Parts: sequence; C-alpha cells; structure tokens
Amino acid sequence: DAGVTQSPTHLIKTRGQQVTLRCSPKSGHDTVSWYQQALGQGPQFIFQYYEEEERQRGNFPDRFSGHQFPNYSSELNVNALLLGDSALYLCASSFGQGLGTEAFFGQGTRLTVV
Amino acid sequence: GNSVTQMEGPVTLSEEAFLTINCTYTATGYPSLFWYVQYPGEGLQLLLKATKADDKGSNKGFEATYRKETTSFHLEKGSVQVSDSAVYFCALSEISGGTSYGKLTFGQGTILTVHP
Repeated sequence: DAGVTQSPTHLIKTRGQQVTLRCSPKSGHDTVSWYQQALGQGPQFIFQYYEEEERQRGNFPDRFSGHQFPNYSSELNVNALLLGDSALYLCASSFGQGLGTEAFFGQGTRLTVV
Repeated sequence: GNSVTQMEGPVTLSEEAFLTINCTYTATGYPSLFWYVQYPGEGLQLLLKATKADDKGSNKGFEATYRKETTSFHLEKGSVQVSDSAVYFCALSEISGGTSYGKLTFGQGTILTVHP
C-alpha cells in the first residue's frame, strides 16, 4: 500500500502565479482533506472533499479551490499567489465518518512563493 | 470556536528521561482527541487517539488520557529514546450535527529533542 502520495514535493512560484498540487489517497479511502502548515505552526484546515463535492471549508479565501476526481484523487489550486502562501501543504485521506476517524497524511508539498 | 493549546517548546531531554507534553482544548460537544507525530522531512503520523472521556490512548510506549473535567489530553512516556525526537501535535476532530467528518484542529506543535 503506497499510502497517501502528493506531488510535487517541492515547488517555487512567483507572486501572482497560480499553482496546482495533487494528492492520491490511501487505497480504500474516499475522503480527502487539505491542510496548510506554515513554518513552526500546526496544520490549518483548508477544505475537505467527499464524493467529488466540497463538504467542509476552513477560513481560507476563495483563491484556494479544489477538486476531487471519480478515483478519489484530489487537486488543490491556489490563484494569485501571495508571499504568505509559502507553506507545507498536506493532504490527508480517510474513510467513513464518526468519532475517532483516522486521517492518514502524505509527506506534503513545500510551496515557496518568491 | 474549537482550539487546542500545547505547552510551548522546544523540549530537550536525555535518553530514558520521563516525558510530558501538555495539551488542553476548547470544543463544543465531545470531540475525539489525537496525538500526531512529525519526523523531520515527513508528513504527520497518528501516534494515538481517544474518543471519549477517561479513554486512554497508547502506542509505542506513549500514553494520553482524555480528561473531560480538565479538558486535557497530556502526552506521556516513561523513558524516551533518541528516535523519539520529532514534533508532536495535539489535535481534536470536530463534531457537526453529531457526526465527525474528520476535520482536525491542531495545536501549534511541540519540538522534542532527545540526547544520548
């Protein structure tokens, strides 16, 4: 089992550009969540996708958007990049709902905006 | 809203020392509580969890007990090893309409360094 895989691992973009990050969930998982982890901070929830729909959203602007495909993989898109968007972006997958549902995390994509 | 507060780090210990990392939370309802660990250059891994009051989660010698009366979930280990050096995150999963969809709220993380 490959677990949760994210691509690319590192990315450098210029302010104002757009970026797309990709995530393949762990086999058997149907839910994908995205988190932003700034340096020295805990991850912050961006949004969650289930059945190709955005189910929950954190306190992030509309510049952050996503998509989930029929095979459950997901993309995170960020438009009009700001320097403050530099962070580690983590994808987490899970299955089912209820107390104690475990999220499995990928290694993340390190985005640097210059 | 929901929040998680961890003790400030970094924490530096000698091998075989006792470890405590404090975690307190604020939440509506009765969330599930988690400890995640992040080793250098890696993503987060679940260390342990507890889903109701007085539950004790345990794994790899680490333990934490869900204390509803003090809204705490402190992480402990009796004898740390160099390989335990990592960043530890306390987290809760939120409840919406009686259901948890798995959205996690994290603390700021505590860096643990263990010296031989």
